[in-house]
This record gives sequence, structure tokens and C-alpha cells, in this order.
Amino acid sequence: NAGVTQTPKFQVLKTGQSMTLQCAQDMNHEYMSWYRQDPGMGLRLIHYSVGAGITDQGEVPNGYNVSRSTTEDFPLRLLSAAPSQTSVYFCASKGRGQPQHFGDGTRLSIL
Amino acid sequence: GESVGLHLPTLSVQEGDNSIINCAYSNSASDYFIWYKQESGKGPQFIIDIRSNMDKRQGQRVTVLLNKTVKHLSLQIAATQPGDSAVYFCAESRMEYGNKLVFGAGTILRVKS
Repeated sequence: NAGVTQTPKFQVLKTGQSMTLQCAQDMNHEYMSWYRQDPGMGLRLIHYSVGAGITDQGEVPNGYNVSRSTTEDFPLRLLSAAPSQTSVYFCASKGRGQPQHFGDGTRLSIL
Repeated sequence: GESVGLHLPTLSVQEGDNSIINCAYSNSASDYFIWYKQESGKGPQFIIDIRSNMDKRQGQRVTVLLNKTVKHLSLQIAATQPGDSAVYFCAESRMEYGNKLVFGAGTILRVKS
């Protein structure tokens, strides 16, 4: 049981490049979410999904897109990377009545 | 407690002592609260949760206290060990909003041997 798997673990991009951060869970959880964590701050919600085909915006959605075509996968897309998007990105999933389980993050630097 | 910007509050305790980490939450409508532990290079790890119809919940070596009157949450760790050194976050949510979590800024716990 791998839990929540995020790839890649590290990535460096140039301003304006696009990229997809991958997140997969094998626990058949309906709810999945993406957070970003900046130095000295807590996690902030970017987008979330309550099930396949359903997504919604969180606290800081601008510059990010998501889709949920399957229960297992919830990719996060940066269409045109900006230095302000340099951060650590965490994906999480949860089942009914359970707390959110987090992956180990993707560390993204944008030059 | 909470902090702003880059300077997280730090709690230093001696190994074997008890630790108390505090958190002030923002939304009086929040009805579910979680404590997470985050070690360097890792994602947040669930420690314990509590719903708003309770004021205390105990786990293994940990206790969470909830005071809704003053919107305050605390995490007590008994007999603190070096492996407890990490950043601790409280998070709040309203269940009806799909459990979207709002995180505090975190507290650094350092355990001295």
C-alpha cells in the first residue's frame, strides 16, 4: 500500500514553462487536494476534488489547473510558471470520516 | 501559537519532559480540528483529531484540548522524545465544505537530549 505518491520530487523550471505535477493514491479515496507550502507558513489549499469529474478552487487557485478523470489520479498543472510559484507542493487524499493523508511533496523552483 | 512570515515560534524541551503546543484558530464555525507533525523533507503526518462536540481527546502519548470559547487548541505530548522534534501544525475545517483544511503557520519543537 503506497498511500499518496507524488512525482517528481524535485523540479526546476524557467519562467513561462509549463509542467504537470503528478499525484496518485491507491486507497480508493474520493477526496483529493493540492496545497502549497511556503517558508515559515502553513499549507494553503490550491484546488480540491470530491470525486472523479468534480473539481473546485481553494484559497490560492490562480495560475493552476486541475482535472480528475479517475479516482486515483489528481494532476496539478502550471500553464505558465512564474517565480511566485516557487514552493513545495503537497497532494493529499482522504476517505469518508478519515483525516487527510499527505504525500511527501514536490519541491519546485522557478527561475 | 501562531506566527507571521518566516519566524515560526519554537518550543525547546528537555527529553522526558512534557510539551504543550498551542494554536489559535480563526473560524468560530469550524467543527473539526487536526494536529499534524512535519519532519524535514516529508509531508505532514496525522497525529490526532478532535471534533467540536468534544473538549479533550487522548491518543498514545498525545492529548488534544479544545476550548471553543476562546478558539484555542493545544497539543500535549507526554515524555517528549528526540523523535518528536519536528514542526507541528494545527488545522481547522468545516465538515460541510468537504473538509478543506485551513492550516496555522506551525510551531517548531526541539527536543534536547
